[in-house]
Amino acid sequence: DAKTTQPTSMDCAEGRAANLPCNHSTISGNEYVYWYRQIHSQGPQYIIHGLKNNETNEMASLIITEDRKSSTLILPHATLRDTAVYYCIVRVHRGSQGNLIFGKGTKLSVKP
Amino acid sequence: DAGVIQSPRHEVTEMGQEVTLRCKPISGHNSLFWYRQTMMRGLELLIYFNNNVPIDDSGMPEDRFSAKMPNASFSTLKIQPSEPRDSAVYFCASSLEDRRNQPQHFGDGTRLSIL
Repeated sequence: DAKTTQPTSMDCAEGRAANLPCNHSTISGNEYVYWYRQIHSQGPQYIIHGLKNNETNEMASLIITEDRKSSTLILPHATLRDTAVYYCIVRVHRGSQGNLIFGKGTKLSVKP
Repeated sequence: DAGVIQSPRHEVTEMGQEVTLRCKPISGHNSLFWYRQTMMRGLELLIYFNNNVPIDDSGMPEDRFSAKMPNASFSTLKIQPSEPRDSAVYFCASSLEDRRNQPQHFGDGTRLSIL
């Protein structure tokens, strides 16, 4: 079973920030938080990951709470092309225990 | 840079036939993963290779499924004989397992329909 809880769906206006929450209250000290998204008919796309510090890249920002029990993925200026299912996943560093376990994710709809 | 390449993109065949799905991982990656996605079960890991060796095949549904990785640049997933319930999208992913915790990169999948 997935170790994360996400809302089933969210809407966001084009050009606004999209804030996608994720709860992972049972996360272990050696588990990272990963975010992927899947646009219709495509393979999952890696977005960002982090351990305990906030992270930012060209796609998004990841904010992890101090207790690491929840996190938020931020798309600063959502576009229509960001409409996708977003998956929050926790995994250890390597080995078979590090395989991705996908839950149902959050379906983000960016509207004009 | 070329990403993970899967072939064919679509496959339609009759039940009982052998199906072979192919994957070329990203050059330099040492881990390869096969996933299956259905509406009912979502994305599930089938098998995981590291340095061409199968590490975890606990997700392979039954003996009709087999996977090989003869070298670092090629892997196959075979279903023999195929059944209608095998219809799904099959994804291959690769990653570089090192100390830096590299992410997995996915191909665009093979959409398999068994009639």
